[in-house]
Amino acid sequence: AQSVTQLGSHVSVSEGALVLLRCNYSSSVPPYLFWYVQYPNQGLQLLLKYTSAATLVKGINGFEAEFKKSETSFHLTKPSAHMSDAAEYFCAVSKVPGGSYIPTFGRGTSLIVHP
Amino acid sequence: DAGVTQSPTHLIKTRGQHVTLRCSPISGHKSVSWYQQVLGQGPQFIFQYYEKEERGRGNFPDRFSARQFPNYSSELNVNALLLGDSALYLCASSRDRASGANVLTFGAGSRLTVL
Repeated sequence: AQSVTQLGSHVSVSEGALVLLRCNYSSSVPPYLFWYVQYPNQGLQLLLKYTSAATLVKGINGFEAEFKKSETSFHLTKPSAHMSDAAEYFCAVSKVPGGSYIPTFGRGTSLIVHP
Repeated sequence: DAGVTQSPTHLIKTRGQHVTLRCSPISGHKSVSWYQQVLGQGPQFIFQYYEKEERGRGNFPDRFSARQFPNYSSELNVNALLLGDSALYLCASSRDRASGANVLTFGAGSRLTVL
């Protein structure tokens, strides 16, 4: 079965500091991986996705993530945090042998940005 | 273009009641998925519909049901509500279901409170 584990339910950074949100996946086949962001009282919005092309994926709002097969990781980074980045971030995996590609989401990491 | 729209945005029910939640996908999207997001957790998959047929079902009791209409809009029904059904119910649409690289576009959700 496919799954993702997001390490740390909360991450706190200062404005301008590096953002690192961790995600490890479990999949029996090469996965498709996603990061979504959820702002308060809103639905989820796609930040970026990995679909077996380049291992370094660039997304919106300055975020990027690197697929590392040897570490089964897909961590999300941003060089300099902005106050507007404060939100809930979800990692998701989507690929099942012969399956229906229904994404499985992690529990989420709440990013807190201090002025 | 309009995004995924859900109604109602908020509702309060009592235990044992029934609820119907509605979703209109993005124009041209034929697949609709429903997710339950309990506070502090990631979205949990409930149903996927494509071309009016159920294509996937998560680990939810039979009290949960859904359908998709010819115009691709969808309803999620929950019978005999329990306190534990209190959650944000998210609808997501995608163009099709055949690719794991499909990006889900989420609505803002329907916040259900069961008293």
